[in-house]
Amino acid sequence: EAQVTQNPRYLITVTGKKLTVTCSQNMNHEYMSWYRQDPGLGLRQIYYSMNVEVTDKGDVPEGYKVSRKEKRNFPLILESPSPNQTSLYFCASSLSWGNQETQYFGPGTRLLVL
Amino acid sequence: AQTVTQSQPEMSVQEAETVTLSCTYDTSESDYYLFWYKQPPSRQMILVIRQEAYKQQNATENRFSVNFQKAAKSFSLKISDSQLGDAAMYFCAYRTNNNDMRFGAGTRLTVKP
Repeated sequence: EAQVTQNPRYLITVTGKKLTVTCSQNMNHEYMSWYRQDPGLGLRQIYYSMNVEVTDKGDVPEGYKVSRKEKRNFPLILESPSPNQTSLYFCASSLSWGNQETQYFGPGTRLLVL
Repeated sequence: AQTVTQSQPEMSVQEAETVTLSCTYDTSESDYYLFWYKQPPSRQMILVIRQEAYKQQNATENRFSVNFQKAAKSFSLKISDSQLGDAAMYFCAYRTNNNDMRFGAGTRLTVKP
């Protein structure tokens, strides 16, 4: 089954404790991205990747890191999480970066930073 | 700033009736796609319908259709014969060739039996 998976689905952590949210897709998509969803703000893009070893900042990259060493994986790293990073996070992928490409979303990761 | 505005934070509709969700956007690009995504309580983001900006004909997908007014930068979603399963948060979005993908804040749709 074609899908985007994220792990963990739920995470409670404390301020400053490094964490990684994994994202994997099995559709051989070139483009992957991370979003955060907050009430009243919709989804905002954190980082995106057009292909292996090609990443760039989205609208809200502060406090996050990403890497794209393999085509299928695009982990999101919070080196020193803070309470304002409490949010619902989505990973998404599409065949390429063109505007016609539909993005397929993972199930989401709900993060609470205490 | 390039943005997407959904002016209705909440909407409700009676089962079997029709409802229209509003969306306006602002982009300086001429080549872009527009999308409506549905987010049920499971939080999964599900594509409902999409529209190419160069196409004048409004997209339709079964009970879902759009009213695309390019000059007005308006992209509303019409849901006909509403069903209980249509209850969800609906997000309007656009995507440009400059990899600019923007979402609105969402409209929460309630369907009354």
